[in-house]
Amino acid sequence: GESVGLHLPTLSVQEGDNSIINCAYSNSASDYFIWYKQESGKGPQFIIDIRSNMDKRQGQRVTVLLNKTVKHLSLQIAATQPGDSAVYFCAENLYNQGGKLIFGQGTELSVKP
Amino acid sequence: EAGVTQFPSHSVIEKGQTVTLRCDPISGHDNLYWYRRVMGKEIKFLLHFVKESKQDESGMPNNRFLAERTGGTYSTLKVQPAELEDSGVYFCASSQDRWRGEEQFFGPGTRLTVL
Repeated sequence: GESVGLHLPTLSVQEGDNSIINCAYSNSASDYFIWYKQESGKGPQFIIDIRSNMDKRQGQRVTVLLNKTVKHLSLQIAATQPGDSAVYFCAENLYNQGGKLIFGQGTELSVKP
Repeated sequence: EAGVTQFPSHSVIEKGQTVTLRCDPISGHDNLYWYRRVMGKEIKFLLHFVKESKQDESGMPNNRFLAERTGGTYSTLKVQPAELEDSGVYFCASSQDRWRGEEQFFGPGTRLTVL
């Protein structure tokens, strides 16, 4: 079955440094991935997405990289700020199965001032 | 525009009791999803409505869980009887376009604690 997972449960970085959060998936047919940020007391919030016809996509201070060969994606946050502290989830959007999401375990990012 | 709302925000019940969670999606969104996160693990899909019809309930853990979406507006998720392992955060999400991930919006969740 589908499986999307994360390598590290926690990540602590210094304010201003770059953060890299990793995610692995098992289904080679997977082709649409999304990164979510979840702050305490809130639901997951869309950050950025990437489809399998791309290797890289950039947003504001965030970049997602997709390596289909090794079934791995990563989220890079530039100049990490205290407001970036949250749990980050990668997820696969199964748009051909109604749009349901298959989430990874989550990485808790802690930003030290 | 109001976002997805969920009620209650917290619920503490005893094992064997019944609890009903409510989700109000964004107005006009036909797709409504329920997910839950148990004990800090990954968020897992429970089921998907399109309007009032259940499209996919493959993630429902067992027959103690019953979801409804009468009239295609708000949805309820009832757990009866609740067990200890049902504790977790239950999220609802809604979307108009299932093809675009940025269009799926989540509510703040209901934290359920079963004692």
